[in-house]
Amino acid sequence: EVQLVESGGGLVLPGGSLRVSCAASGFTFSNYWMHWVRQAPGKGLVWVARIDSDGAGTTYADSVKGRFTISRDNAKNTLYLQMNSLRAEDTALYYCTRSAYENDSGSRNDHWGQGTLVTVSS
Amino acid sequence: DIQLTQSPSFLSASVGDRVTITCRASQGLGRYLAWYQQKPGRAPNLLIYAASTLQSGVPSRFSGSGSGTEFTLTISSLQPEDFATYYCQQLTTYPVTFGGGTKVEIK
Repeated sequence: EVQLVESGGGLVLPGGSLRVSCAASGFTFSNYWMHWVRQAPGKGLVWVARIDSDGAGTTYADSVKGRFTISRDNAKNTLYLQMNSLRAEDTALYYCTRSAYENDSGSRNDHWGQGTLVTVSS
Repeated sequence: DIQLTQSPSFLSASVGDRVTITCRASQGLGRYLAWYQQKPGRAPNLLIYAASTLQSGVPSRFSGSGSGTEFTLTISSLQPEDFATYYCQQLTTYPVTFGGGTKVEIK
């Protein structure tokens, strides 16, 4: 069974840093691209970042570019999101999600964790 | 960025109703659009990808259609467990974008 378990969320001061993690199991982690998606309280889904299967390629939303870094450790089956210079508007539930892909059907986020809550407040 | 506009944003329906949600894209996506269901306090759940392919384990009352810039999600006979918020998503071009969501509530 595919499992994605996020951890590391919490309360942080504006301007502070936090690293959230996502432990993956039940599949060959190193074969899949992974994404972070966030959801502010009562709001919709917003894509944050993605990383390819070996970690060589990353892409970010403009709102986090230069402040957040997505990375992975395939030996530990773990995805990370390092968040620096945090702002109140970064307050959200952060989901780790697996990206499946086939040539004839494109990509989709087929498995999601339960999320870890990051609150940026003084 | 590719904008996805869902309509309606809110829908009130009864058990047994046929429900249709539309997602319009600001640029052509071919057939590469996905639909998700999210219940309160839960993570999103993939329903449909490639516009019309049902994800494994999803009931057949859910169906998707469309291509290019206009897509629809249809629930043929609404069940109590279907009351939730539904999102469309494109992963054709970065940044990945989601529609604003359609909340389906009990009439």
